[in-house]
Amino acid sequence: GQSLEQPSEVTAVEGAIVQINCTYQTSGFYGLSWYQQHDGGAPTFLSYNALDGLEETGRFSSFLSRSDSYGYLLLQELQMKDSASYFCAVGPDKLIFGTGTRLQVFP
Amino acid sequence: DTEVTQTPKHLVMGMTNKKSLKCEQHMGHRAMYWYKQKAKKPPELMFVYSYEKLSINESVPSRFSPECPNSSLLNLHLHALQPEDSALYLCASSPGQREGSAFFGQGTRLTVV
Repeated sequence: GQSLEQPSEVTAVEGAIVQINCTYQTSGFYGLSWYQQHDGGAPTFLSYNALDGLEETGRFSSFLSRSDSYGYLLLQELQMKDSASYFCAVGPDKLIFGTGTRLQVFP
Repeated sequence: DTEVTQTPKHLVMGMTNKKSLKCEQHMGHRAMYWYKQKAKKPPELMFVYSYEKLSINESVPSRFSPECPNSSLLNLHLHALQPEDSALYLCASSPGQREGSAFFGQGTRLTVV
């Protein structure tokens, strides 16, 4: 089976940096994805790590350590609009989502 | 065109009704997915189609019946649903079944009465 664990909730203030962790157990692994979902909306793809290391996409960065079965999403210069749920996800043959982290950004 | 389009956006159906959810993408993606999402929970995988063939069925009850008429379309046929099946149903597509990125439609919010 596959399982992905994330903290249930994270809070931060505008302009701050926040890290959302994901630990996974999977029988096969190609890479770790991250998705954002606003209330009432659909998940939106943010980033994908197939190899160890850091991937940067604007204010968002994602990190993967395959040996530790661990990854994180780093959000910098937080804005109010970043308040949403964030999910890590793994493949390969099916996209399985983590438990999700609700991020609340305060002014 | 980078959209996945789902119709209808909202659906209310009785337990004896038959209805269908539709999903369309024109990105040339070869993998398409159906997910079910309950409030405050992660999306839960139901079915995966790869190259128009059903490749994964996550032990979904037979009252849910998927169909992939062509590479751009994905349907989910619903029959004799239960109130606990009320949820947001999401369709997604990706370039291939082992790709890291998937694009989601806005979902169909289903209420079974």
